[in-house]
Amino acid sequence: DAKTTQPPSMDCAEGRAANLPCNHSTISGNEYVYWYRQIHSQGPQYIIHGLKNNETNEMASLIITEDRKSSTLILPHATLRDTAVYYCIVRLYTGTASKLTFGTGTRLQVTL
Amino acid sequence: DVKVTQSSRYLVKRTGEKVFLECVQDMDHENMFWYRQDPGLGLRLIYFSYDVKMKEKGDIPEGYSVSREKKERFSLILESASTNQTSMYLCASSIYSGGARDGYTFGSGTRLTVV
Repeated sequence: DAKTTQPPSMDCAEGRAANLPCNHSTISGNEYVYWYRQIHSQGPQYIIHGLKNNETNEMASLIITEDRKSSTLILPHATLRDTAVYYCIVRLYTGTASKLTFGTGTRLQVTL
Repeated sequence: DVKVTQSSRYLVKRTGEKVFLECVQDMDHENMFWYRQDPGLGLRLIYFSYDVKMKEKGDIPEGYSVSREKKERFSLILESASTNQTSMYLCASSIYSGGARDGYTFGSGTRLTVV
């Protein structure tokens, strides 16, 4: 699976959009981009995933560049409850137990 | 609400003990995983299973074994616990969805301390 690079930490004011970047320059054509987050003392939580097109769900939006070498997770109106470590993961989807390899992620701190 | 349940939230064991960490999911998922999480190292995959009685080594299987006798249950076994196995252990499951949303669902974790 392709390796990802994320900034170790970011701050965001409550109510503002949080934009979390991820570089995955070695991604191959059939690898998906996944985002998870881990709130303190809990297991990671799935947020969103995509292949080529931008994706949006009730939690966030995922913007993937045209060359697919980077992506951005957008939390449109961050709240204090969004304070967490965010993981960007690239994975080849095979339909079987293709594993997720977690990096060290970005620690997002949302402040008043 | 679908769930992955880990039997213990906190566990303290002695060096040399055989330790069982249990994980149960109620989503009829085919795939199950065990990770450990340590400060500065992130989550590392120990073992995973894509079917009953099937198992595959992850990135750090040494010192561990697993058992999957039933689809809903995946056990992690520390044959002889050592202090370097003190960690947070996380279980996860996922469905073979053929291209649909394929997110993992994680349990809340078991914090194991080996003394």
